Amino acid sequence: GEDVEQSLFLSVREGDSSVINCTYTDSSSTYLYWYKQEPGAGLQLLTYIFSNMDMKQDQRLTVLLNKKDKHLSLRIADTQTGDSAIYFCAERFGGYQKVTFGIGTKLQVIP
Amino acid sequence: SAVISQKPSRDICQRGTSLTIQCQVDSQVTMMFWYRQQPGQSLTLIATANQGSEATYESGFVIDKFPISRPNLTFSTLTVSNMSPEDSSIYLCSVALENEQFFGPGTRLTVL
Repeated sequence: GEDVEQSLFLSVREGDSSVINCTYTDSSSTYLYWYKQEPGAGLQLLTYIFSNMDMKQDQRLTVLLNKKDKHLSLRIADTQTGDSAIYFCAERFGGYQKVTFGIGTKLQVIP
Repeated sequence: SAVISQKPSRDICQRGTSLTIQCQVDSQVTMMFWYRQQPGQSLTLIATANQGSEATYESGFVIDKFPISRPNLTFSTLTVSNMSPEDSSIYLCSVALENEQFFGPGTRLTVL
């Protein structure tokens, strides 16, 4: 079945690292995505990882994938107040292209 | 990447009326997707629209309530019919380009 789970809330101090976690249930997922949604704004694709990868780094963002445990994480280094937003984990199945979203984690960055 | 625009960006409607939302993409895509994001919730797929065929609806969504058009490879519309306050949501259009999935800015609908 399709189910993506995330914790609801994370609070960090400016300059610290943030780690947002996600678990999914369907091992046939092909792509796993991280989206950012700021208040009143649309969804911004931050990064994604292909299911045969373990890690992907893009500037301040590091995505780790543990396929055995079906666990995905997003690490934001040197978190800034502009990183305050809701972060959605999502999975997509090859071929069909349907994307299933988690509930979203609200990241609060304290100055 | 894909640039997606939606019209209207927001609207306030009376119950019982219908609203048609337009989605325009700057490149040709096979599939277009319509999602709903209810207040404080995650995104839920409403339907998938292929050009030249009827849309495929997810469980809990029906064509009579959410008719979709897909006249060409860059455009689609979603109509929210016979609206009730429970239809108040953000409606988002989405496309897949190779590995990436892009979303439009959304249409914020409030039904009174």
